[in-house]
Amino acid sequence: EAQVTQNPRYLITVTGKKLTVTCSQNMNHEYMSWYRQDPGLGLRQIYYSMNVEVTDKGDVPEGYKVSRKEKRNFPLILESPSPNQTSLYFCASSPRLAGGNGAQYFGPGTRLLVL
Amino acid sequence: GENVEQHPSTLSVQEGDSAVIKCTYSDSASNYFPWYKQELGKRPQLIIDIRSNVGEKKDQRIAVTLNKTAKHFSLHITETQPEDSAVYFCAASGSYQLTFGKGTKLSVIP
Repeated sequence: EAQVTQNPRYLITVTGKKLTVTCSQNMNHEYMSWYRQDPGLGLRQIYYSMNVEVTDKGDVPEGYKVSRKEKRNFPLILESPSPNQTSLYFCASSPRLAGGNGAQYFGPGTRLLVL
Repeated sequence: GENVEQHPSTLSVQEGDSAVIKCTYSDSASNYFPWYKQELGKRPQLIIDIRSNVGEKKDQRIAVTLNKTAKHFSLHITETQPEDSAVYFCAASGSYQLTFGKGTKLSVIP
């Protein structure tokens, strides 16, 4: 089954404790992206990747890191989480090389609470 | 960067009536305009999209119109049904970055 998976789905952590949210797709998509969703603010893009080893900042990259060592995986890293990073996070992938210019397939979401 | 404004933020309609959601964008280089539907507790899913070389696109009860000159695009849902109740997001993209509006919560009253 074609899908985007994220782990963990729910996470409670404390300020400053490094964490990684994994994202994997099995559709051989070139483009992958991370978004955060907050009430009243919609979806905001954190980082995106056009292909292996090619990443760039979205609208809200501060406090986040990403890597794209393999085509199928695009982990989101929070080196020192803070309470303002409490949010619902979505990973997405797209088959179009132009990335944003194509249908994006979203993962199930990861709900993060930073105490 | 791109800025997408979406209105209204909430919309209630009677079952069977039409619903219209409007978005404006700021970057004239944007050329791709998707609409996503997000049901409660679920992931966003693409319902329709339009590219800048097309003025209107229709898929059954859903249609999207684009006015490039005015930099606005709209989602039209006809004959609304209770299962249309969800949050709808518009978005705009010129290349690799996708910018979303803040969303419209649509409630269809049976």
